[in-house]
Amino acid sequence: KQEVTQIPAALSVPEGENLVLNCSFTDSAIYNLQWFRQDPGKGLTSLLLIQSSQREQTSGRLNASLDKSSGRSTLYIAASQPGDSATYLCAVKNFGNEKLTFGTGTRLTIIP
Amino acid sequence: DGGITQSPKYLFRKEGQNVTLSCEQNLNHDAMYWYRQDPGQGLRLIYYSQIVNDFQKGDIAEGYSVSREKKESFPLTVTSAQKNPTAFYLCASSIGQGGTGELFFGEGSRLTVL
Repeated sequence: KQEVTQIPAALSVPEGENLVLNCSFTDSAIYNLQWFRQDPGKGLTSLLLIQSSQREQTSGRLNASLDKSSGRSTLYIAASQPGDSATYLCAVKNFGNEKLTFGTGTRLTIIP
Repeated sequence: DGGITQSPKYLFRKEGQNVTLSCEQNLNHDAMYWYRQDPGQGLRLIYYSQIVNDFQKGDIAEGYSVSREKKESFPLTVTSAQKNPTAFYLCASSIGQGGTGELFFGEGSRLTVL
């Protein structure tokens, strides 16, 4: 059974710093891994999708990496801004399974 | 604008009542999903549908029902049999077979049982 863990549960950093969010998973036979952002009381916004054959994906100030052998993914945010404050969730889809397994998220606060 | 529309955004229900949450998408996606989100827990899959007139139970289907009569629509009924229905409900969709598997979400519906 796939399990996804995100540590820490909460993180506060000063504005302008670069930061890394972590996601680990137990079953490396993944089809893809997706990072989402969720603002309070809102739905999830897709940030980056990494297919199992890829090592990383980039969008603007965001870079997500994937290491299947170690069961880890990281989301790198460059030059953080107060608008980046949100909860970030990762989710893993395994081969032959329609279900995504979600982590519980990291609540990020950027301090102006 | 393409997207997923959920309604209502907030819903209050008395115990013993059934309620139906609406989910409509204009992305021409084949697959649609319902997730439940509770504080401190990851999202949990209730039901999913990969094609019209077909759907499968997820991990926590008890007390819920769905239908998929149209490609665009995937309503969720929370029945009185659901023991703890107060939660945030999220509808999602993806292209389906042959797609990347990327999931897109609506804005959610918050159900409170009084």
